[in-house]
Amino acid sequence: NAGVTQTPKFQVLKTGQSMTLQCAQDMNHNSMYWYRQDPGMGLRLIYYSASEGTTDKGEVPNGYNVSRLNKREFSLRLESAAPSQTSVYFCASSEQKNQPQHFGDGTRLSIL
Amino acid sequence: GQSLEQPSEVTAVEGAIVQINCTYQTSGFYGLSWYQQHDGGAPTFLSYNALDGLEETGRFSSFLSRSDSYGYLLLQELQMKDSASYFCAAHNTNAGKSTFGDGTTLTVKP
Repeated sequence: NAGVTQTPKFQVLKTGQSMTLQCAQDMNHNSMYWYRQDPGMGLRLIYYSASEGTTDKGEVPNGYNVSRLNKREFSLRLESAAPSQTSVYFCASSEQKNQPQHFGDGTRLSIL
Repeated sequence: GQSLEQPSEVTAVEGAIVQINCTYQTSGFYGLSWYQQHDGGAPTFLSYNALDGLEETGRFSSFLSRSDSYGYLLLQELQMKDSASYFCAAHNTNAGKSTFGDGTTLTVKP
C-alpha cells in the first residue's frame, strides 16, 4: 500500500520553463490537495479538489494550474516557472473533505 | 479568512510532558488536526478532534474546545525522536479546505 505517491522527488528548472508535478493515491480518497512549504514555514494551500471533477483555489494559486485527472490522480502545473516558486511541494489526500490528510513525500523544486 | 496561532518553539527534557497550544479564528470550523514533521520529511497525521474533549492515541492526546476556539496537543513520556515540528490545521466545513498553523518546533533534550 503506497499511500500518496509524488513524482518527481527533485527537480531543477530554469526561469520560464514549464513543469507538471504528478500525484497519485491508492486509498480511494475523494479529496486531494496541493501545498507548498517554504523553509521554516507552514503549509500553504495552492489548490484542492474536494471530489473528482471539482477543483478550487487555495491561499496561493497564482502561477499554478491543476487537473484532477481521475479519482486517483491530481497534477499541479507550473506554466512559466519563477524563482519565487522554489519550494517543497506536498500532495495530500483525505477520505472526504474536512477529514485528516495523508501526505506524499514531497517534491523539492528549485527554479534558477 | 482563517488564521491559527501556535508557539514557534518549545523545549522539554526526555520523559517529560509537553503541551502545544493552538488557537484559531475561522468561519465554518469543522475540526482540528495535528501533524508531525521531521526535518526533510513529510507531515504525518497524529490526531483529530471534531468534537469537544480529549482524544488519546498512545503517548499523544489532543483536546478541543469549540467555545474557546482552542486546542492542544499533549505529548507524554517524551523521547528524543519526538524532536520535530508540530502543526495544527483547521478544517473548514463549507469550503472543504484546511488552513495550517506555522508550526511549533519541539526540541527534546536528554
